[in-house]
Amino acid sequence: ETGVTQSPTHLIKTRGQQVTLRCSSQSGHNTVSWYQQALGQGPQFIFQYYREEENGRGNFPPRFSGLQFPNYSSELNVNALELDDSALYLCASSLAARLAVTYNEQFFGPGTRLTVL
Amino acid sequence: GEDVEQSLFLSVREGDSSVINCTYTDSSSTYLYWYKQEPGAGLQLLTYIFSNMDMKQDQRLTVLLNKKDKHLSLRIADTQTGDSAIYFCAETDTGGFKTIFGAGTRLFVKA
Repeated sequence: ETGVTQSPTHLIKTRGQQVTLRCSSQSGHNTVSWYQQALGQGPQFIFQYYREEENGRGNFPPRFSGLQFPNYSSELNVNALELDDSALYLCASSLAARLAVTYNEQFFGPGTRLTVL
Repeated sequence: GEDVEQSLFLSVREGDSSVINCTYTDSSSTYLYWYKQEPGAGLQLLTYIFSNMDMKQDQRLTVLLNKKDKHLSLRIADTQTGDSAIYFCAETDTGGFKTIFGAGTRLFVKA
């Protein structure tokens, strides 16, 4: 059983550009969640995808969007990049969507560090 | 709203116990977690506790939950230099869709 992987590890973009970050979930996990971790802060929930549909969203604008594919891979897309988008982006996969119903561990990837200049 | 707060820094000597504290606001949280993050790495789940439990012990780790005060603590016994990291307290929100994290406590272990 492989773990959660993310690519690229580091990325530098300029303001106004668009970026796509990728995540490969653990095999068999139908749910992927994306988090933004700014420097010195805890991760903030962006959204969750379950069976290729958005299943919940945090307080992030529509320029943050995602896709989930049947092969357990997913993408986070950010349009019109702003300086404040500079952060570590983490994806986490889990078996089920609702984390509170039964114990349902999230497995985190190592993250992609995005720098916006 | 939902919020998780924790102190930012803790410094201990190797071999001592470390206690990291956290308070949360969502009284309906079902699970509460402690994660560890080392430099340049993602999050590693250390332990979790179900909301109807008061205490959970797992080797060197002891989690205490005071649901009345919405207070969670993590005790690390016999702290080692390898325990130096950022520790995040987290809860699963009422809707069960997302995990809410605190800002993290940076633990320094002095040899």
